[in-house]
Amino acid sequence: RKEVEQDPGPFNVPEGATVAFNCTYSNSASQSFFWYRQDCRKEPKLLMSVYSSGNEDGRFTAQLNRASQYISLLIRDSKLSDSATYLCVVRGGSNYKLTFGKGTLLTVNP
Amino acid sequence: EAGVTQFPSHSVIEKGQTVTLRCDPISGHDNLYWYRRVMGKEIKFLLHFVKESKQDESGMPNNRFLAERTGGTYSTLKVQPAELEDSGVYFCASSQEVGTGYEQYFGPGTRLTVT
Repeated sequence: RKEVEQDPGPFNVPEGATVAFNCTYSNSASQSFFWYRQDCRKEPKLLMSVYSSGNEDGRFTAQLNRASQYISLLIRDSKLSDSATYLCVVRGGSNYKLTFGKGTLLTVNP
Repeated sequence: EAGVTQFPSHSVIEKGQTVTLRCDPISGHDNLYWYRRVMGKEIKFLLHFVKESKQDESGMPNNRFLAERTGGTYSTLKVQPAELEDSGVYFCASSQEVGTGYEQYFGPGTRLTVT
């Protein structure tokens, strides 16, 4: 079983749509959770950290369910500029290593 | 503030040759990481430096890979001899500290093609 599994995608949505990304992780000792965004042929960039209480940043909402070892990202009112690959990333407790999912490609169409 | 820089951006070499990748972390960042993404796979951790010391090299694929960080500033990753399966994108990242609240900032990557 992969350490971090994501929806394989790709997702193609019209502008203004709401899109949800799902992710599960296998290591119950994982402590920190993130969504990264990666544009084509660019480096991954931190989009947002994910907290147990859930957190929101503008149009983006992230949720964490530790019991189910499940992480989600919701993008509302999607924009053309949201087109990118979204990476689910997990880090262990005393472990600084980031463990990545394969990513889900999102294309927002006009 | 300058970000993480990597050189070269692309490298095409033949099987059996040697390639050296360089990473310059953000100034003042003691922690430096190497990651790699091979075609069709997820980004995977290779190793972690704190200053000039290797803290964890558990992700290094085999002894054809050698990473150094002399003086605790920039780092190099040498592949010798290169094999076809080494092709991929090599990312370097740096962080000020480790742990919660300290983001790892990634460089643009070096795209390595072994033919």
